[in-house]
Amino acid sequence: SQQGEEDPQALSIQEGENATMNCSYKTSINNLQWYRQNSGRGLVHLILIRSNEREKHSGRLRVTLDTSKKSSSLLITASRAADTASYFCATQKAAGNKLTFGGGTRVLVKP
Amino acid sequence: DAGVTQSPTHLIKTRGQQVTLRCSPKSGHDTVSWYQQALGQGPQFIFQYYEEEERQRGNFPDRFSGHQFPNYSSELNVNALLLGDSALYLCASSSTGPGEKLFFGSGTQLSVL
Repeated sequence: SQQGEEDPQALSIQEGENATMNCSYKTSINNLQWYRQNSGRGLVHLILIRSNEREKHSGRLRVTLDTSKKSSSLLITASRAADTASYFCATQKAAGNKLTFGGGTRVLVKP
Repeated sequence: DAGVTQSPTHLIKTRGQQVTLRCSPKSGHDTVSWYQQALGQGPQFIFQYYEEEERQRGNFPDRFSGHQFPNYSSELNVNALLLGDSALYLCASSSTGPGEKLFFGSGTQLSVL
């Protein structure tokens, strides 16, 4: 079973626009991570936010975490065609433990 | 510095057969995890190996087994293949200590006919 549910399942935007996707989870966590997957191949780690953090930035990425609502959001600013991919949130109950993934958000950035 | 490498990239098998997938972790990593990803879904955790032993296991039947070698590389074996085993199999490596962030290989696409 999957811990996280992502919303929306698919997103289509124009280049230059911002893309926001949300992730909800069910149990307590140590950290939450976001990964990107291009064309159904390997996943690439984007950003990790710990349970005691509320917001984190990395380049054009901004992640928020609300542990009281058990939810997180990923914002990609000024999107590019190269951002077209599937984005997955994954939770980890303790460092070194398995990752539990959501179903993903498929993002299409149109040039 | 090579990342996580998996072989083969594609594989076609028939029902009832057995398959072995291979993974070499990123240099400096000692922990290997395997995930199964069905089309259109998120990856599902199969198991994790550390110090040549299975440390954690997901909700997969005993037909799924694995091994880790002294050089930290790993194999995933699936016996008595079912049509539902068709999926992308992803290997991920990490290091002990923090061990939070995973590095993924490009996967093996298994098709069971």
